Amino acid sequence: DAGITQSPRHKVTETGTPVTLRCHQTENHRYMYWYRQDPGHGLRLIHYSYGVKDTDKGEVSDGYSVSRSKTEDFLLTLESATSSQTSVYFCAISVDRSDIQYFGAGTRLSVL
Amino acid sequence: AQSVTQLDSQVPVFEEAPVELRCNYSSSVSVYLFWYVQYPNQGLQLLLKYLSGSTLVKGINGFEAEFNKSQTSFHLRKPSVHISDTAEYFCAVSTSFRGGSEKLVFGKGTKLTVNP
Repeated sequence: DAGITQSPRHKVTETGTPVTLRCHQTENHRYMYWYRQDPGHGLRLIHYSYGVKDTDKGEVSDGYSVSRSKTEDFLLTLESATSSQTSVYFCAISVDRSDIQYFGAGTRLSVL
Repeated sequence: AQSVTQLDSQVPVFEEAPVELRCNYSSSVSVYLFWYVQYPNQGLQLLLKYLSGSTLVKGINGFEAEFNKSQTSFHLRKPSVHISDTAEYFCAVSTSFRGGSEKLVFGKGTKLTVNP
C-alpha cells in the first residue's frame, strides 16, 4: 500500500456540515492526489499537490478544498457537505518523477 | 485533452475462458498507459503499464496488454481466467501538468465477473 493511510475509513454526516478527510504517507513522496469514485464515472481527480503548500485543482474541484502543510499529510475538506458528495474518496501518491500512482484503501463518505 | 473509453461496462465469463477488456484513448501527444485492478472494498492496484519500448506489456496475475498506436488502443487480455480475477478494471492514460510529474485520466471501469 506504499505506506498510505486514509482516515476515517467510513463517515456518515449531515448536509451542511464540514468534513475533513486525511491522507497520510510515510515515505515523503512529493506528489499526492485526491480522487472520488462513483458508479459509472470511474475515478475523477479532485485536487492534487506537488509539494508542501503547492496544490492545484482537478476536474471536479467545486465544493472541495485541500491543504498540505507537511509532506506527509494531504487533507481534503468539504466546507459544507452536500448529498452529491456522497462517494468513495481515494488518496494516491506518485513516486517522484514516475508515472505510477499508488492508492490508499479509500474513505466511504455518506452525506444524509 | 486526454480521454479514455472502456468499451464494456460489464464482462461475464466462465472460469478458464480467455478474456479481453477493451480500452481506447484519445491524445494528440505521446501517452503512457496503465491498467489498474480494484478488488471489492479495496483500493486500486497497478496491474501493468506501458511507458515505452515493446508494445506487448506483461503484468501481474497473468495479464498482458498490447499498445496499438494506430488504433489508439490498449486492450487487456488473459488466456485463462480464475474466479479470483473477479474485480473491476480501470484503464488510465497519463497527462503532464506543471510540477514535473503526471496525473492520470481514468476510464469508467469494466466489471469482470468470472463464473464457475
